[in-house]
Amino acid sequence: EPEVTQTPSHQVTQMGQEVILRCVPISNHLYFYWYRQILGQKVEFLVSFYNNEISEKSEIFDDQFSVERPDGSNFTLKIRSTKLEDSAMYFCASSEAGRNQPQHFGDGTRLSIL
Amino acid sequence: QKEVEQDPGPLSVPEGAIVSLNCTYSNSAFQYFMWYRQYSRKGPELLMYTYSSGNKEDGRFTAQVDKSSKYISLFIRDSQPSDSATYLCAMKSTPFSGSARQLTFGSGTQLTVLP
Repeated sequence: EPEVTQTPSHQVTQMGQEVILRCVPISNHLYFYWYRQILGQKVEFLVSFYNNEISEKSEIFDDQFSVERPDGSNFTLKIRSTKLEDSAMYFCASSEAGRNQPQHFGDGTRLSIL
Repeated sequence: QKEVEQDPGPLSVPEGAIVSLNCTYSNSAFQYFMWYRQYSRKGPELLMYTYSSGNKEDGRFTAQVDKSSKYISLFIRDSQPSDSATYLCAMKSTPFSGSARQLTFGSGTQLTVLP
């Protein structure tokens, strides 16, 4: 069964550094998403992306964050000038184009900011 | 009031038991309802997806939606030790709202099925 893959599984970064989290969505999917889960808290929506532009974003997704589809298969989340509170699991998801299509998630990248 | 409330558990049941997991919500714009299962150190795995009031069955799993009461449930029949995981409810709004794509999650219920 096709799946969303995320790399790395664990990223450790010094506070203030930039980090890029990578995702390969399911190949025929056209909508891509990033979610975040801080330890012990709910999964929270960050951003959705379609046709090379952001379609929705939450209040969390401020100027520190950016997303990109650098080629035909990868989808990335960049976090600039990381803060301690950015430590979390980051999940990538993808869905087919229809409005009612379900989202399928990867296994996440655990980001630890020191 | 939180948008989505879910009993965090933990819930522990013997093998073979019927499990009931529940979420309530306050936002009337939520029209699409999902249940995800999350094993330790894994991402959420879609179990059930529904958008109408009533029941939807898939094997041992039944999703129930009551939009008038803003209440959804997931029932697991003949529970197995392999069902031990965290169960997340998730919801999204109508296609024509400004937040049509984002999922709003409950806090998750941790389930343990004892052999």
